[in-house]
Amino acid sequence: QLQLQESGPGLVKPSETLSLTCTVSGGSISTSGYYWGWIRQPPGKGLEWIGSISYSASSYYSPALKSRVTVSVDTSKNQFSLKLSSVTAADTAVYYCARLLTGGLHDCWGQGTLVTVSS
Amino acid sequence: QSALTQPASVSGSPGQSITISCTGTSSDVGGYNYVSWYQQHPGKAPKLIIYEVSNRPSGVPDRFSGSKSGNTASLTISGLQAEDEADYYCSSYTSSSTYVFGTGTKVTVL
Repeated sequence: QLQLQESGPGLVKPSETLSLTCTVSGGSISTSGYYWGWIRQPPGKGLEWIGSISYSASSYYSPALKSRVTVSVDTSKNQFSLKLSSVTAADTAVYYCARLLTGGLHDCWGQGTLVTVSS
Repeated sequence: QSALTQPASVSGSPGQSITISCTGTSSDVGGYNYVSWYQQHPGKAPKLIIYEVSNRPSGVPDRFSGSKSGNTASLTISGLQAEDEADYYCSSYTSSSTYVFGTGTKVTVL
């Protein structure tokens, strides 16, 4: 059974870089046809798609965040990661990682991790 | 790339049917049959309930159904049950090879 688990600091200072990792278990991140994505949800607000990456490192980013986001993949560790630079309080959110299948379905999600941006 | 537009809230009595709309543009909802719907209970991760406009993953009750007309997709819940009370989000593939979510709809079972 596929499982995804986010990890990383829960508190980041303004102007610094937010870094999160998603560990995939119960399946291989290198499976052809799958993408691996990041989605966030500010407290009390809706979902926002951040970006996605394939095992071959082909990536796509939300135009709104593209200048600050990098998603990378480490197939040897079965992990993929998110970096968001120059964070502000507006980046405070629960960050989810998810598997993205052909057809645009995010079919398996991590439990989410709250990241607060504050000094 | 703006969020897809959903009604903020929809309510219904047990057993009734409700429909949630999701309006986008020809660059997302109207241009592709890659519309998904997600159910999210408080404090939980979203759960996929509809993909490719009208397909249900295994295990999702058949009282959840999806459709699309032009730039608007819809999710219908028939035979509303207490456990259907949750937030619902649509999502669509876009012409930029990215994805966009809807603004979200809170479903209340009266």
